[in-house]
Amino acid sequence: AQKITQTQPGMFVQEKEAVTLDCTYDTSDPSYGLFWYKQPSSGEMIFLIYQGSYDQQNATEGRYSLNFQKARKSANLVISASQLGDSAMYFCAMREGIAGGYNKLIFGAGTRLAVHP
Amino acid sequence: EAGVTQFPSHSVIEKGQTVTLRCDPISGHDNLYWYRRVMGKEIKFLLHFVKESKQDESGMPNNRFLAERTGGTYSTLKVQPAELEDSGVYFCASSTGQETQYFGPGTRLLVL
Repeated sequence: AQKITQTQPGMFVQEKEAVTLDCTYDTSDPSYGLFWYKQPSSGEMIFLIYQGSYDQQNATEGRYSLNFQKARKSANLVISASQLGDSAMYFCAMREGIAGGYNKLIFGAGTRLAVHP
Repeated sequence: EAGVTQFPSHSVIEKGQTVTLRCDPISGHDNLYWYRRVMGKEIKFLLHFVKESKQDESGMPNNRFLAERTGGTYSTLKVQPAELEDSGVYFCASSTGQETQYFGPGTRLLVL
């Protein structure tokens, strides 16, 4: 069964340092997509980064990068040079079947990140 | 370009009452999704529209929930009658297809 696991309920990081948020997934479908979303205290879900299962390179978007290790079924989010505004809940999500039409997202439990000055 | 909008932002109702949530997707997005997060649990998929058709409603919890998307534009999610366990945050998302889903700000529902 499809599953997303985020083992870190909470993380702390010092401002300007890098932090890695863990995400592992389980699927039997060879085609899938992995997403990270940020949810600040205001509640909205903000899309950060996407990685397709067939992508050869790790995805990057500004200060965000996705450390995709397919054999280990992990898709960790790396935030470089943390800022106070990065304090939020972060969700890892998976969509199966890039070409198959299964569009629903499966979410992990989330990791709450606190950035300290 | 306007993002996904949801109305209301908050709703407090009593058990047994009816509540209707509305979602306006990003213009041109044929795909519309409803998700919810009940207290202390993970965000769960409810259903998926492609234009006005229900593509996947496997996540709808029971027949007290009714989703519609007349004309393939905005969507409504009605809960009738509401129960205590329906409390949570209801998110709507939209996409152009197999691409990234963009979420709205959510509706916080509290059933007393």
